[in-house]
Amino acid sequence: SQELEQSPQSLIVQEGKNLTINCTSSKTLYGLYWYKQKYGEGLIFLMMLQKGGEEKSHEKITAKLDEKKQQSSLHITASQPSHAGTYLCGAFEGNSGYSTLTFGKGTMLLVSP
Amino acid sequence: GAVVSQHPSRVICKSGTSVKIECRSLDFQATTMFWYRQFPKQSLMLMATSNEGSKATYEQGVEKDKFLINHASLTLSTLTVTSAHPEDSSFYICSARAGSEVSPLHFGNGTRLTVT
Repeated sequence: SQELEQSPQSLIVQEGKNLTINCTSSKTLYGLYWYKQKYGEGLIFLMMLQKGGEEKSHEKITAKLDEKKQQSSLHITASQPSHAGTYLCGAFEGNSGYSTLTFGKGTMLLVSP
Repeated sequence: GAVVSQHPSRVICKSGTSVKIECRSLDFQATTMFWYRQFPKQSLMLMATSNEGSKATYEQGVEKDKFLINHASLTLSTLTVTSAHPEDSSFYICSARAGSEVSPLHFGNGTRLTVT
């Protein structure tokens, strides 16, 4: 089965600083999703990437999928306390309608004032 | 946007009793719903995939007789933890897919189950 490796596992940044979280797979990713989770809550959908080389931005968060579709990065510019939480990448194991979404182990982000 | 409502958000039950968790898609029809379990500081673990009108597909190692899933309509799936034990205490999250197979999943806010 597909495994997603996320790095770093945790991250503490000072407010206003930029940061990058990576998500890597040994297999081709059919749809790469980024979610944010606050402790004890559900997941909030951030972005979905499908095409190699694709890049999407929403407010201060930018996600990219490499050309080989095996690695994605999530970049936060000028971090704020509201960005704190656990970021998870998820991907489908296949490209059929019956594929399931598997997740990386998450990256816990703390933003210090 | 698509909203998934999960209820209850927290439940405490005694060992041996059963607990039902509901997952509803409020503004869209979900042909497929997924149930996940999350242990502290760990990622989500897929338990089962639920398709409307058919039996759920369970992941390896998940006891189907213990975790009963019913997907009776296009907007409702339920997970019943039967004869709960303390080791079943966990955070359970449902998700639903709106649209095609490449559409993002939308998640409920989760249910914190504590079995005493």
